Amino acid sequence: DIQMTQSPSTLSASVGDRVTLTCRASQNINIWLAWYQQKPGKAPKLLIYKTSTLESGVPSTFSGSGSGTEFTLTISSLQPDDFATYYCQQYNSYPLSFGQGTKLEIK
Amino acid sequence: QVQLQQWGAGLVKPSETLSLSCAVYGGSFSGYYWTWIRQPPGKGLEWIGEITHSGNTNYNPSLKSRVTISVDTSKSQFSLKLSSMTAADTAVYYCARKYGSSSWYFDLWGRGTLVVVSS
Repeated sequence: DIQMTQSPSTLSASVGDRVTLTCRASQNINIWLAWYQQKPGKAPKLLIYKTSTLESGVPSTFSGSGSGTEFTLTISSLQPDDFATYYCQQYNSYPLSFGQGTKLEIK
Repeated sequence: QVQLQQWGAGLVKPSETLSLSCAVYGGSFSGYYWTWIRQPPGKGLEWIGEITHSGNTNYNPSLKSRVTISVDTSKSQFSLKLSSMTAADTAVYYCARKYGSSSWYFDLWGRGTLVVVSS
């Protein structure tokens, strides 16, 4: 099974900051990685798939990069609505698996 | 637009079987994998398993012995049964849609059902 590890677990930042979240896979997953945003009490929302493709309607302040085992999600200028928990998910192979999440909180 | 509406018992006794269902409204039922994912309180997401409209299934090996996912194409519905429930199975259970082919991510989610295992 592929283990996904996200860092940091918690990130404190301010509105307008540029932040980068990291996701590492325990083995090569090529570019088969997605990112989700989850707010308290809500279902996750797909942000990015195939490492860097933005889902329709997602602001261009979000971007993704990486390949193989190391991936990043960057928010270029944090907005108040961006404070949430972010999860990565690999879909290179079954069983599909998620990282443990990075909570982005207001500094 | 396409919506997933899920329902089922929110309280299950230890050793009993969880039953949840999810209906697809406003879109095609074929061509996708219909999925169950869970999230224990304050924790991350765990993929449980999936089914196609034709009944092909994939399960997480960690749960495979206890999981059954079924489909009713006439109603555009799919269901989850998880047997021998314990407190460790307490979680929010989500239904979700996954594309086929190589696009195995989840673009549509239900609102989630909190399932508590308690006597």
